[in-house]
Amino acid sequence: QSALTQPASVSGSPGQSITISCTGTSRDIGVYNYVSWYQQHPGKAPKLIIYDVSNRPSGVSSRFSGSKSAYTASLTISGLQTEDEADYYCASYTTSNTYVFGGGTKVTAL
Amino acid sequence: QITLKESGPTLVKPTQTLTLTCSFSGFSLRSNGVGVGWIRQPPGKALEWLALIYWSDDKEYSPSLKSRLAITKDSSTNQVVLTMANLDPVDTATYYCAHRRQRSYWFDPWGPGILVTVSS
Repeated sequence: QSALTQPASVSGSPGQSITISCTGTSRDIGVYNYVSWYQQHPGKAPKLIIYDVSNRPSGVSSRFSGSKSAYTASLTISGLQTEDEADYYCASYTTSNTYVFGGGTKVTAL
Repeated sequence: QITLKESGPTLVKPTQTLTLTCSFSGFSLRSNGVGVGWIRQPPGKALEWLALIYWSDDKEYSPSLKSRLAITKDSSTNQVVLTMANLDPVDTATYYCAHRRQRSYWFDPWGPGILVTVSS
């Protein structure tokens, strides 16, 4: 199975909104609403920030939101803050009952 | 509160077999729908899903690594073990275990990870 496709990097000014895309196939994102997003700061373990495309776990800022259209899921960070600088990974359940992650996106607040 | 922690060797020689243990608390692998997964991350690279074991003892593996992986559980001691055979330097990575909630399709929380280096 191939990794989901994410842009290598996305940047924005503090206060701006940015969107990270995650493109899959008919074997994963295209057929399931089981997309999750993880935030990873340097040297730390990944942290779940979005599950089932658009749901936020308790305690996660409402500035994070998710959506999906066809084969592409998206993560939007509204009101970008310097603390949001991190790597972000999408993941999806697949028709083979396995999971696949994206290549990761480095977010920079300029 | 759910916590997980990975343990095992941090340096392994090529061709050897790696055995990693995930010790967890705050949930039971006897509970319907619960699972524990393993994910790895080579230095500076992306996350890669490896395997998942369910409360039922059903197991799923990454297709590309299936022939080299084995995952088992001991629900009485709250541990999950991942073995990977025939290691190569490209297997150098931080290995994470993570909790899969009942009837969910995401991983939360994750353990802190363990960096395993494959080198002679």
